[in-house]
Amino acid sequence: AQRVTQPEKLLSVFKGAPVELKCNYSYSGSPELFWYVQYSRQRLQLLLRHISRESIKGFTADLNKGETSFHLKKPFAQEEDSAMYYCALTDTGGFKTIFGAGTRLFVKA
Amino acid sequence: GAGVSQSPSNKVTEKGKDVELRCDPISGHTALYWYRQRLGQGLEFLIYFQGNSAPDKSGLPSDRFSAERTGESVSTLTIQRTQQEDSAVYLCASSFRQGASPLHFGNGTRLTVT
Repeated sequence: AQRVTQPEKLLSVFKGAPVELKCNYSYSGSPELFWYVQYSRQRLQLLLRHISRESIKGFTADLNKGETSFHLKKPFAQEEDSAMYYCALTDTGGFKTIFGAGTRLFVKA
Repeated sequence: GAGVSQSPSNKVTEKGKDVELRCDPISGHTALYWYRQRLGQGLEFLIYFQGNSAPDKSGLPSDRFSAERTGESVSTLTIQRTQQEDSAVYLCASSFRQGASPLHFGNGTRLTVT
């Protein structure tokens, strides 16, 4: 069965420190993976997707098929990065997209 | 153009009453999803519509829940005989096509069952 696991409910770091939000998935095929972000009082929105291999707002994520992980990283956290982050998986039929439980990132000044 | 629109933004209802939640997707988006987000928890998949195909209802938690979509436009999520455990934010999302297209979310409907 498809599953997305985000083991940390809350992650607190100081401004300027590196940050890594963990995401592991369970899927028998080749998934498409995404990170979504929800800033305070805003709607949930796409942050980045693995097929684009892009860096958005300094964040990157690498798909590791061996470890079935898609961790989100940023070398120097900023206060404006404080938000709720969700890892998501879409099956290759493009049908269902499922989400992890989310990690709340709090960047302290 | 406008994003995904959901109404009402807030709904308070008494236990046992029926409620209807509405979602207007982005024009041209063929896929539409409903998710439930309970307080402090992640997004729980409820139902998925793709064009004229039969919807994927595998996430609906009970037969009190149902959803319809008219063509590739408006969708309504109906909860009959509401229970307190139905209290949550109900999120709607749409996307242009299947596969790698990202989801565009509405602001959600916060449902409170008293």
